[in-house]
Amino acid sequence: DAMVIQNPRYQVTQFGKPVTLSCSQTLNHNVMYWYQQKSSQAPKLLFHYYDKDFNNEADTPDNFQSRRPNTSFCFLDIRSPGLGDAAMYLCATSTTTGSTDTQYFGPGTRLTVL
Amino acid sequence: GQNIDQPTEMTATEGAIVQINCTYQTSGFNGLFWYQQHAGEAPTFLSYNVLDGLEEKGRFSSFLSRSKGYSYLLLKELQMKDSASYLCAVTDSNYQLIWGAGTKLIIKP
Repeated sequence: DAMVIQNPRYQVTQFGKPVTLSCSQTLNHNVMYWYQQKSSQAPKLLFHYYDKDFNNEADTPDNFQSRRPNTSFCFLDIRSPGLGDAAMYLCATSTTTGSTDTQYFGPGTRLTVL
Repeated sequence: GQNIDQPTEMTATEGAIVQINCTYQTSGFNGLFWYQQHAGEAPTFLSYNVLDGLEEKGRFSSFLSRSKGYSYLLLKELQMKDSASYLCAVTDSNYQLIWGAGTKLIIKP
């Protein structure tokens, strides 16, 4: 089945220790998104890739970086996690960024920062 | 600013009907999505409306009024598995998806 896969599902890191979250997709979608979602809050878009074109949200901290080495994979790097970065990180894909394009989400990675 | 308003929490009884409202103020409008999100899981797509009116999909229906900046999600014949958060999201004129914080729906037997 075509899908969006995120690994790991649960990630524990220490304050200030770099961590990388991964996302892969078999949908062959052009666009990949990274969201941060804290409990009972709306998902917050961090950045997205349209093919290899990187689009950073204005309020995304420099602590967050992303890589998309090919169509299928996208990584979220948190260079120095703080306690406030503990959240669910959601990867999503869509065919384009057009208005009718549904975003399909992976299961998410729940990050704990100790 | 851009804003999506939904009730924080609603409670309903198994077998009943519930309506979850969403109002929005965005810079332009290019469609409205409803997603379901079970606790600790990713959002899953439920519906998309871009024209005024009612879209029905089985037990779930979604309504849109663009002139009023208003939508609702109607869930019929509620089942315990419908306990989840329901997120309203609007695509603005720049094709950015603006998310509401979600409505937590609690179903009681």
